[in-house]
Amino acid sequence: DVKVTQSSRYLVKRTGEKVFLECVQDMDHENMFWYRQDPGLGLRLIYFSYDVKMKEKGDIPEGYSVSREKKERFSLILESASTNQTSMYLCAARRADQPQHFGDGTRLSIL
Amino acid sequence: GEDVEQSLFLSVREGDSSVINCTYTDSSSTYLYWYKQEPGAGLQLLTYIFSNMDMKQDQRLTVLLNKKDKHLSLRIADTQTGDSAIYFCAASRSGSARQLIFGSGTQLTVLP
Repeated sequence: DVKVTQSSRYLVKRTGEKVFLECVQDMDHENMFWYRQDPGLGLRLIYFSYDVKMKEKGDIPEGYSVSREKKERFSLILESASTNQTSMYLCAARRADQPQHFGDGTRLSIL
Repeated sequence: GEDVEQSLFLSVREGDSSVINCTYTDSSSTYLYWYKQEPGAGLQLLTYIFSNMDMKQDQRLTVLLNKKDKHLSLRIADTQTGDSAIYFCAASRSGSARQLIFGSGTQLTVLP
């Protein structure tokens, strides 16, 4: 089975801080995704990556950036955290023509 | 734009069947998925169906696809308290099968 690991289950940060959320997958999958989940809104795609050093904007990229220096690791960066970025963040990985597999999520609170 | 819609809540009695419905707008979606999310956890893939199929069964789960009406349903037979969770419908995005569009999720509550 695919294992997608997010480094933190819970995180509390302050407004204006630079925040890093880390995601690692163990199955050499090409495609990786970052979503945020808010009640009543489902999952919304922030950024995704098809390969190392490659990234594409999703539906809500504003205020976020990403880094993929190695195939197994995909990092989400909040350049200057704001309270409206308090949310559940989910990472997913996918191999070609296979479903996406998700990590357990990081619940981020910005105070 | 592309959209996936589902009702927000469903309550059923233990032992009854649950039916969770979903509609999508993009007729070119190739794959349709059902994911389950338990409290405090990530999303777990339950099942998926290719767009050229109209039904898929996997133990207690039955997926029905009406491509003409762009309607997808998930039936859970003999619903148990452990089935209480949020269920997400997702459709592959037109032009990019790597991306998914998710519905808002249906909170299923199983009553004893």
